[in-house]
Amino acid sequence: DQQVKQNSPSLSVQEGRISILNCDYTNSMFDYFLWYKKYPAEGPTFLISISSIKDKNEDGRFTVFLNKSAKHLSLHIVPSQPGDSAVYFCAASARIGTASKLTFGTGTRLQVTL
Amino acid sequence: EAGVAQSPRYKIIEKRQSVAFWCNPISGHATLYWYQQILGQGPKLLIQFQNNGVVDDSQLPKDRFSAERLKGVDSTLKIQPAKLEDSAVYLCASSLYRGRGEKLFFGSGTQLSVL
Repeated sequence: DQQVKQNSPSLSVQEGRISILNCDYTNSMFDYFLWYKKYPAEGPTFLISISSIKDKNEDGRFTVFLNKSAKHLSLHIVPSQPGDSAVYFCAASARIGTASKLTFGTGTRLQVTL
Repeated sequence: EAGVAQSPRYKIIEKRQSVAFWCNPISGHATLYWYQQILGQGPKLLIQFQNNGVVDDSQLPKDRFSAERLKGVDSTLKIQPAKLEDSAVYLCASSLYRGRGEKLFFGSGTQLSVL
């Protein structure tokens, strides 16, 4: 049962343009959403997060939008740069007792071309 | 600040052999996680420790996988015996708090190939 879905395995965008990565979820108990970025042979690194009580969070070139009614979130990167080429994972957090459990999507590989 | 350290980086074994991975989290981080990432999939949580107690091990195949966290710091993950489907990257992560939306810091992972 895939509770967090990233339906686009890959995305190619020209440098300077906007990159939009999408994520859908099924579990209404998720209360926090995070995006991680992963380069080859490295572990994922945290990029940006959003609480379920908000609909937008912005950090520099990165903005995450949350649509709770549609159970959908998206990551916007503007402008896209070649260094943004990586795999992006959407993750959702749910409380399990006194701890939080993070569930990851399958990832979207972003390639930013010159 | 030193990151999450993992070793070895790569390991190749034959099926039915045993293997162990080591993780040293960021100093002061109370929560430690082991994730399995199979090629083309997202990381899947195997086990989560809070200090040296287990918080969640619901997806750990306990007939062959075991993990421990001694003195609430370092952790080892063992597979015995290994199967072909255990080929994956094993990621260790740590975090400071148990709160909502806590940020996980990942190590570089151990790439395991079972032949």
